[in-house]
Amino acid sequence: AQSVTQLDSQVPVFEEAPVELRCNYSSSVSVYLFWYVQYPNQGLQLLLKYLSGSTLVKGINGFEAEFNKSQTSFHLRKPSVHISDTAEYFCAVRGAGGYQKVTFGIGTKLQVIP
Amino acid sequence: DTEVTQTPKHLVMGMTNKKSLKCEQHMGHRAMYWYKQKAKKPPELMFVYSYEKLSINESVPSRFSPECPNSSLLNLHLHALQPEDSALYLCASSQEGTGGDRAFFGQGTRLTVV
Repeated sequence: AQSVTQLDSQVPVFEEAPVELRCNYSSSVSVYLFWYVQYPNQGLQLLLKYLSGSTLVKGINGFEAEFNKSQTSFHLRKPSVHISDTAEYFCAVRGAGGYQKVTFGIGTKLQVIP
Repeated sequence: DTEVTQTPKHLVMGMTNKKSLKCEQHMGHRAMYWYKQKAKKPPELMFVYSYEKLSINESVPSRFSPECPNSSLLNLHLHALQPEDSALYLCASSQEGTGGDRAFFGQGTRLTVV
């Protein structure tokens, strides 16, 4: 089984400042990792994913994340945030290969301050 | 068409009512999912359909009854719900039933049980 820990429930940041949202996972097998964004009263949208290959993954809206196997982390970063980035961000993990259930973290609310 | 469409967007129902949530996708995806999301919580998987057959039931109470009439449609029939079932119900689809490497989510149905 896999688990995900998002260390910060809320992250306030000023507009145009950089941001990092932290995610750590645990698993006894190889994993795939995901970041989803959820805007108020909306469904989830995939920001980026790591399946294999390069550990630095670039996603939509200027976000990127780095897979660090030794630290079991997959932190999400953006160099300069906009007001429109205010949303809930979920880190998710699933075991690699075949059908594996996706496990979501509890979410981090990114609040961009004008 | 890269959308998952859910109807209705909002639903208020009494504990003795019978209602249905609907989900539709035209991306040729063969796996479809129902998730339940309580306020300020991550989505929780309820059901997975793969090639129109129920493949995963995450111990969901029988008052929730899924149905997959064809490869594009997924329904969730509701009967005798409890107030604690009030939540955002999210439908998702992916190309294969591998847990959602590239799952597309609908915007959800906000359900209130009174």
